Amino acid sequence: AQKITQTQPGMFVQEKEAVTLDCTYDTSDPSYGLFWYKQPSSGEMIFLIYQGSYDQQNATEGRYSLNFQKARKSANLVISASQLGDSAMYFCAMREGIQGAQKLVFGQGTRLTINP
Amino acid sequence: GAVVSQHPSWVICKSGTSVKIECRSLDFQATTMFWYRQFPKQSLMLMATSNEGSKATYEQGVEKDKFLINHASLTLSTLTVTSAHPEDSSFYICSARDPRQSSYNSPLHFGNGTRLTVT
Repeated sequence: AQKITQTQPGMFVQEKEAVTLDCTYDTSDPSYGLFWYKQPSSGEMIFLIYQGSYDQQNATEGRYSLNFQKARKSANLVISASQLGDSAMYFCAMREGIQGAQKLVFGQGTRLTINP
Repeated sequence: GAVVSQHPSWVICKSGTSVKIECRSLDFQATTMFWYRQFPKQSLMLMATSNEGSKATYEQGVEKDKFLINHASLTLSTLTVTSAHPEDSSFYICSARDPRQSSYNSPLHFGNGTRLTVT
């Protein structure tokens, strides 16, 4: 079963607009972490933001914020005031548990294109 | 901040040859490193977990004898694609977690990846 689902293969947004990238997850572990990464065409993986399952507040990092709805098992990424440089692939990922190797499982990704 | 270096960034090899990819943690010691593979326009798929001083743990469906992993030191893990074939052409990317950061919420730091093309 897919643990991380990103239902938007592609998104097109006008520069300076806000954009929401969807991510839903599936786990029975009460302890988990959710991550968002940006992958430009160069291939590097850039960490954006983290949300823990026990965190009471939604995470924010500059223009990035995470709309965490635990009951719905969703962790959508919100990018405010989009810029041309935001054009990239965006991956949602989950780590289950707080012990052990704690590998990351990735969603399918969303290709975001910012139009001038 | 933590940096993971991966080399080479790209490589072209002939079918039947072997290719070694190196992954180094530059400013921290990593007892565990992760190797991912990414086909064009697809997600990252975990291949194996590299453990310093012991055998790697492979994900289901990944051939151990084809993808040899050696984690000989706390800062270096290598992935060797043996007897490469065109279907092995992919983007391989390694990652590690800085143990100085809290294990609960620290992100994986990724290398810049290696694009392998087998002709």
